[in-house]
Amino acid sequence: AQKITQTQPGMFVQEKEAVTLDCTYDTSDPSYGLFWYKQPSSGEMIFLIYQGSYDQQNATEGRYSLNFQKARKSANLVISASQLGDSAMYFCAMREITGRRALTFGSGTRLQVQP
Amino acid sequence: EADIYQTPRYLVIGTGKKITLECSQTMGHDKMYWYQQDPGMELHLIHYSYGVNSTEKGDLSSESTVSRIRTEHFPLTLESARPSHTSQYLCASSDQLAGRGETQYFGPGTRLLVL
Repeated sequence: AQKITQTQPGMFVQEKEAVTLDCTYDTSDPSYGLFWYKQPSSGEMIFLIYQGSYDQQNATEGRYSLNFQKARKSANLVISASQLGDSAMYFCAMREITGRRALTFGSGTRLQVQP
Repeated sequence: EADIYQTPRYLVIGTGKKITLECSQTMGHDKMYWYQQDPGMELHLIHYSYGVNSTEKGDLSSESTVSRIRTEHFPLTLESARPSHTSQYLCASSDQLAGRGETQYFGPGTRLLVL
């Protein structure tokens, strides 16, 4: 069974600073996908970044980068130059490689960016 | 990216009523999913579909049912709503781009309150 763990229920960061949101995972599949989503207070889930288990390089999308450490089974999200609009819940998720190909989500981290 | 729509966005309804939550996507994605999310908590898969006339139950036991008669449409129905059904319901569909790990894109969600 797959499991995603996010150990930081809440985080604070000053505007313009970088912040790292932690995510560890557990799976017996050799091939998997890791995702980060942002959920503002309005409720929608916004896709941020994807990392494949066989990707050699860490994924980057604008101000978002994924610090992928396969041996440690961690997939931390790094947000550079935080903005007030980054305040939201952030969810780490893993996709099954076979079968349903559904996502298993972590419990989320609430990020608050302070001016 | 998928354009995926959900209606209604908010629904307050009395116990015992039948409700249908609508979900439509315009990108021709074969795979679609329904997730349930309590406030501030992780998402749980309740239904998924590989394509027309294909539906399966997810991890979280749900009294809801789904149908997939058309590729673009994946409605969820509760025959008799109860207060325990109060939650947010999120619909998603996934693309087939291997480089993006079949990213799931979400609709805006429906927040259901059963009195």
